[in-house]
Parts: sequence; structure tokens; C-alpha cells
Amino acid sequence: EAGVVQSPRYKIIEKKQPVAFWCNPISGHNTLYWYLQNLGQGPELLIRYENEEAVDDSQLPKDRFSAERLKGVDSTLKIQPAELGDSAVYLCASSFRAWRGGEPLNTGELFFGEGSRLTVL
Amino acid sequence: KNEVEQSPQNLTAQEGEFITINCSYSVGISALHWLQQHPGGGIVSLFMLSSGKKKHGRLIATINIQEKHSSLHITASHPRDSAVYICAADSNYQLIWGAGTKLIIKP
Repeated sequence: EAGVVQSPRYKIIEKKQPVAFWCNPISGHNTLYWYLQNLGQGPELLIRYENEEAVDDSQLPKDRFSAERLKGVDSTLKIQPAELGDSAVYLCASSFRAWRGGEPLNTGELFFGEGSRLTVL
Repeated sequence: KNEVEQSPQNLTAQEGEFITINCSYSVGISALHWLQQHPGGGIVSLFMLSSGKKKHGRLIATINIQEKHSSLHITASHPRDSAVYICAADSNYQLIWGAGTKLIIKP
């Protein structure tokens, strides 16, 4: 079975240009995450989806970043306009969160894509 | 104080040595994740555990819920084990990440 697929793997743009990243999670996974990772640092959550609902987007810079998860499957992350400081690796991850009696259980095992490396010049 | 703390930050060892990486957390958790990231590579999940001990090949993860502490052990370490190892606490439906431990195994 294919893992989490991200594209593009690499993107170089000039500042003020728009950029979009795409993520196809593992089939059946209801939880999808977008993380930002700077060199030598850990991942920072940008947004978390449970199915098609964005349940945690508190760290997403909403003035320039937007995300969507159509039909609760694929997701796109967009930056418009890009700034120099946006240069980083953008990671997508997915997991299956089980529910019991209307309450969510733990996150489930995480599966990460290879990431999309963005360079803003 | 960070809610999830790892130690050591950096660890260099010789091939064959037994490796221990520690993770302490101060929040209530439903699970604790251990993940691995090779230089320039993606992040791979190693373990997700909520109690006791799990083993996969040369890797062993343990957790003590009462002491809020988990350890990742590597037996017979090999240069290919060189990577950053990260623990993440699954707390209140969110993941709280440790800062990572950079491990270098010298041949």
C-alpha cells in the first residue's frame, strides 16, 4: 500500500509568489496534519484535520496560509504571498483515530510523507 | 519547562554499544510516540505505546505511566541507526513534541 504522498518534493519560488502543496494520506486515515520543519528543528503543527474539519489551526498564519481537505481525503496547503521566512520543509502526516461512544481515542500511529522543501528567494 | 523533555540532546557512541534515549513528560497522555528522522529524510514512526514495553528488531521502547517516563533502547547499535529520535506525547487529542535526540553511531 502506498504511504503518504506529497508533491512537489522541491519548490523554488521568488518572494511574493504563491505556492501550493498537495498531500494524499493513507487510505482510510481520518486525521491529517500539516507540519512545518525548519532545518535542525522539530516539526511544528500548522493545521490538523479530523475528516474534512480543521480542528486545530491555531498555529496557521491565516493572513497568508490556507488549507483545505476536500471530501476528507486529499489536502492542499497554500501560501500566498510567500515570504523569505517561509523557506522550510512542509510535512504532511496522517493517522487513524478511533472513536468510542462519540469520544476520540488516541491519535493512532503516525505516517509521514517525504515532505515538500520550499525555498523562497 | 517544556511539557515533553528528551535527554540527551546529542549522543555519540561506538558501533555495537547499547543506546538509551529518555523522554519525560508532565501531561496526561493517551499514548507516547517514538519517531526517527534520518538526515535529510522523512519522519518514520517507530513505536506508539501506552503501557509496558514494545520491541521491534533491535529497538525496544518502554513506558512507565506512573513516573511519566519513557525510554527508547537500541541494542547492538549500527552506523545506520544514526538519526534524530523524537518522542511525542499524545495528550488531549494533540501531539506535544520533544526536541529530539541526535544520535551518531561511529563505526
